[in-house]
Amino acid sequence: DIVMTQSPDSLAVSLGERATIHCKSSQTVFYSPTNRNYLAWYQQKPGHPPRLLFYWASTRESGVPDRFSGSGSGTDFTLTVSSLQAEDVAVYYCQQYYDTPRTFGQGTKVEIK
Amino acid sequence: EVQLLESGGGLVQPGGSLRLSCGASGFAFSNYAMNWVRQAPGKGLDWVSAVSGSGDTSFYADSVKGRFTISRDNSKNTLYLQMNSLRAEDTAVYSCVKAGDPSVTGTRGVGNWFDSWGQGILVTVSS
Repeated sequence: DIVMTQSPDSLAVSLGERATIHCKSSQTVFYSPTNRNYLAWYQQKPGHPPRLLFYWASTRESGVPDRFSGSGSGTDFTLTVSSLQAEDVAVYYCQQYYDTPRTFGQGTKVEIK
Repeated sequence: EVQLLESGGGLVQPGGSLRLSCGASGFAFSNYAMNWVRQAPGKGLDWVSAVSGSGDTSFYADSVKGRFTISRDNSKNTLYLQMNSLRAEDTAVYSCVKAGDPSVTGTRGVGNWFDSWGQGILVTVSS
């Protein structure tokens, strides 16, 4: 199974500051014939189901604010919130869809400092 | 608007069975792979199973293989999860999840990212 490891487990960021979350896969999720990284990011607010933020590592889902960005390739990926807003308090998960079983990172909890 | 509504959860004793259903609307149900993803109380996300749009191909997490069966009825726009031999560690909120773009290639298994989630339904396995 592909193991997804996120860091840090939690972080506290001041309003308007940058939040950066890292995700590392135990093997590459890049598929050269399609030239794509098979990685997605989700946001889960308390009491709500997860919301898709990015797929193909950096393709923003419709309706996601552009202060969110996804980057990386191969085994190392990053989710960045350029200017944290109060409504961004949530747990964020990465997930690979390169192989079965689909696997998620353990989650990163983002709070306001 | 995509809507996914789970039903059938509840309290069951260890070793018991339960059948979850998920009614889908707002999209061409038979075109999309569907998944079940669970979340134990206070824990992270755990993929359980996936089924192709036609229903002829399915995959399972090792933790549920041989005990759970995913199926779908495209005439009723409904996804199912039959859960047998339930264990305490199966206690979780189970969510019905729609896969993304059905034209995606290069991935092993069925489906890809998870673009729409139901609210989830709680399954509690306890004596």
